[in-house]
Amino acid sequence: EVQLVESGGGLVQPGGSLRLSCAASGFTVSSNYMSWVRQAPGKGLEWVSVIYSGGSTYYTDSVKGRFSISRDNSKNTLYLQMNSLRVEDTAMYYCAREDTNWGQGTLVTVSS
Amino acid sequence: DVVMTQSPLSLPVTLGQPASISCKSSQSLVHSDGNTYLNWFQQRPGQSPRRLIYKVSNRDSGVPDRFSGSGSGTDFTLKISRVEAEDVGLYYCMQNTHWPPKTFGQGTKVEIK
Repeated sequence: EVQLVESGGGLVQPGGSLRLSCAASGFTVSSNYMSWVRQAPGKGLEWVSVIYSGGSTYYTDSVKGRFSISRDNSKNTLYLQMNSLRVEDTAMYYCAREDTNWGQGTLVTVSS
Repeated sequence: DVVMTQSPLSLPVTLGQPASISCKSSQSLVHSDGNTYLNWFQQRPGQSPRRLIYKVSNRDSGVPDRFSGSGSGTDFTLKISRVEAEDVGLYYCMQNTHWPPKTFGQGTKVEIK
């Protein structure tokens, strides 16, 4: 059974950093493209970033230069390193396997 | 970026009655490979999104056949033939023809009258 479990969210001050993790089971992370999608409180879904099986990465414009997506094949885990966080980054962050399988999300709150 | 526009944004429906959600894209979603990568997602209250439909009209495993997708080019529709209580929630269309970035519609809230 495919499972995705996010962790690492929390409360951080503007300008701070967080690293989100997405532990996968039931499939191999490196064999799929994996995405991060976020949802601000009471708002819609926003695609954030993707890493392809070949290692190529892409980001939505608002996080370019601040966020970095990566994976650890030995741990079968996806990451999202978030630096220079802004209030507008406050959201539930979901990892997803090729749009098909989604985790339960981890909440990031950026506030002073 | 491709802009996805859904309507209506709120859809009160009587149990057992049909429901229809429209999604329009700012440019054609026909990919150079001939496929149209338009998906529909359901998000029940307090839950993660779940994909219902991929490539316009293909239902994902486990999705009831009361859900159907149709459309082409820039105009797409999600239909629920007979709404059940478990169908309450938000519905999003999403394109992954012209990505990155993938882009979602604003979401349509389906509720029971």
